[in-house]
Amino acid sequence: DTGVSQDPRHKITKRGQNVTFRCDPISEHNRLYWYRQTLGQGPEFLTYFQNEAQLEKSRLLSDRFSAERPKGSFSTLEIQRTEQGDSAMYLCASSLQGAGDTQYFGPGTRLTVL
Amino acid sequence: GQQLNQSPQSMFIQEGEDVSMNCTSSSIFNTWLWYKQDPGEGPVLLIALYKAGELTSNGRLTAQFGITRKDSFLNISASIPSDVGIYFCAGQLTGANSKLTFGKGITLSVRP
Repeated sequence: DTGVSQDPRHKITKRGQNVTFRCDPISEHNRLYWYRQTLGQGPEFLTYFQNEAQLEKSRLLSDRFSAERPKGSFSTLEIQRTEQGDSAMYLCASSLQGAGDTQYFGPGTRLTVL
Repeated sequence: GQQLNQSPQSMFIQEGEDVSMNCTSSSIFNTWLWYKQDPGEGPVLLIALYKAGELTSNGRLTAQFGITRKDSFLNISASIPSDVGIYFCAGQLTGANSKLTFGKGITLSVRP
């Protein structure tokens, strides 16, 4: 399977704990996006990378959130001091710049903060 | 943040019927995409439209990119039970940041 993969698929944590999610994009894709989706809503943009450079962050991304893509391949999204409002599905998508920039999504990580 | 307009929130149809979904925006996009999402899974790309006025088919699905670049529609013909799911439209301005702007989605139920 050469699609986008995410790990873990589900994470339950207690308020105040730190969590980290991983995304592996489609191998030849140079752009990687993170989105957050809450119940009854469409995904909302959080941040994106072109190769290893983080080029834009949404105002939704508070200072408790940090994302990295150190070698321009996989990416991690860390949430520090989780709050109940962080409970959501975190989605990763990748695309190839210039090839329509069409984004393909992974299966998501469902975060529940107790 | 901005979201595209999709309505109604839910649609109920009989197996075999055709269904059409519309998506509108106050802003122009240069790409429109339609995704389907099953519970607990990520969105799966159905159709991508890259040019105003473009009409594209993928099996029983047909989608069009509105000529004003502010709307798109998706048509599903001869619906089957596995068409059940949430259908999202997304607009994209390709360039420096090609982030997607999504609608709230339409939940489709198909009665056998």
